[in-house]
Amino acid sequence: DVKVTQSSRYLVKRTGEKVFLECVQDMDHENMFWYRQDPGLGLRLIYFSYDVKMKEKGDIPEGYSVSREKKERFSLILESASTNQTSMYLCASSSGAETGRGETQYFGPGTRLLVL
Amino acid sequence: AQSVTQLDSHVSVSEGTPVLLRCNYSSSYSPSLFWYVQHPNKGLQLLLKYTSAATLVKGINGFEAEFKKSETSFHLTKPSAHMSDAAEYFCVVSAVNDYKLSFGAGTTVTVRA
Repeated sequence: DVKVTQSSRYLVKRTGEKVFLECVQDMDHENMFWYRQDPGLGLRLIYFSYDVKMKEKGDIPEGYSVSREKKERFSLILESASTNQTSMYLCASSSGAETGRGETQYFGPGTRLLVL
Repeated sequence: AQSVTQLDSHVSVSEGTPVLLRCNYSSSYSPSLFWYVQHPNKGLQLLLKYTSAATLVKGINGFEAEFKKSETSFHLTKPSAHMSDAAEYFCVVSAVNDYKLSFGAGTTVTVRA
């Protein structure tokens, strides 16, 4: 089974702090994704990466950056946390091998971030 | 561009009765469509997906969905609800040859004993 793990289930940070959220997948997947989930809005894509050191902005990249130095690890960085970044953050991965056939994404358990 | 609209934000059913979750999609191209489920404090799990093969798709845990192009719908059903079906359900669309997904707002299912 594909396993996607996230470094923390819960985080509490102060406004202005730099925050790192880590995600690791163990299936040699090419693609990795960061989403935020807010009630009534579903999941919104922040950034995704289709290869090591490659990244593309999603729908809501403002205030975030990402890093992918190794294939299995994808980090989300909040350069200066703000209260409106309080949310659930979900990481996902997909193989990159079935794009033309509707590719399944596999999700981690999520990190619930509270910014005070 | 593609998008989905989940027509109900909350659905409440009695255990043993049918479940219907409604989803309409909009897509410029032939879409791939998914239903994901999220149990409390868990990540999302794939229930089923449609990728231009059979229009009636069977998934895990007794769920199925039917792709209706004329109605641009992909409704999710289960004949008999179980208490363990209480969760949030997301309808999701992607365009062919695109690995990005677009999520609906979600439908929360409550199952009454």
